[in-house]
Amino acid sequence: EVQLVESGGGLVQPGGSLSLSCAASGFTFGDHWMTWLRQVPGKGLEWVANINADGGEKNYVDSVKGRFSISRDNAKNSMFLQMNSPRPEDTAVYYCVTGRFSHGYWGKGTTVTVSS
Amino acid sequence: DIVMTQTPLSLSVTPGQPASISCKSSQSLLHSGGTTFLSWYLQRPGQTPQLLIFELSKRSSGVPDRFSGSGSGTDFTLKISRVEAEDVGVYYCMQTTQVPPTFGQGTKVEIK
Repeated sequence: EVQLVESGGGLVQPGGSLSLSCAASGFTFGDHWMTWLRQVPGKGLEWVANINADGGEKNYVDSVKGRFSISRDNAKNSMFLQMNSPRPEDTAVYYCVTGRFSHGYWGKGTTVTVSS
Repeated sequence: DIVMTQTPLSLSVTPGQPASISCKSSQSLLHSGGTTFLSWYLQRPGQTPQLLIFELSKRSSGVPDRFSGSGSGTDFTLKISRVEAEDVGVYYCMQTTQVPPTFGQGTKVEIK
């Protein structure tokens, strides 16, 4: 059974930093693109970043470029999102999902609140 | 960025009746490789979104055949042939043809 478990969310001050993790199991993690999506509670979905299978290709939405960094450790079946200089508008539930072109498996999400 | 526009934003349907959601993109979603990377997701109340349709018209594993996706270029439709109570929630279209991928605003479906 595929499982994706996000962790690391919490309250962070604007300009601070936070690191999100996603632990994957139940599939060959190192063979797949992975993606971070986010959702402000009660609002719509937003694509944040993705990373290819070997970590050599990364893409970001413009609003997080230069502030967030996506990475992965295939030996540990894990993906990460380093959030530097977060802004209040980054407040959301962050989902770890499989895939590049479609997202068949989702974690339950981790909540990030950016506030002073 | 490609803008995805869904209509209607809300829909009330009698069980057993059909329902249709439109999704229009600001640019063609036909990828140079010939695939249209348009997918549909359902977020039931209090739940994580789930994949219904990918690559325009392919049903994800376990998705009932009453769900179907169609369209081309910039105009796309999700159809539910006979709505059931479990179909309530918010439906999102998403394009992954061009980076950054973008979602529609969502269509809330409720049962009459």
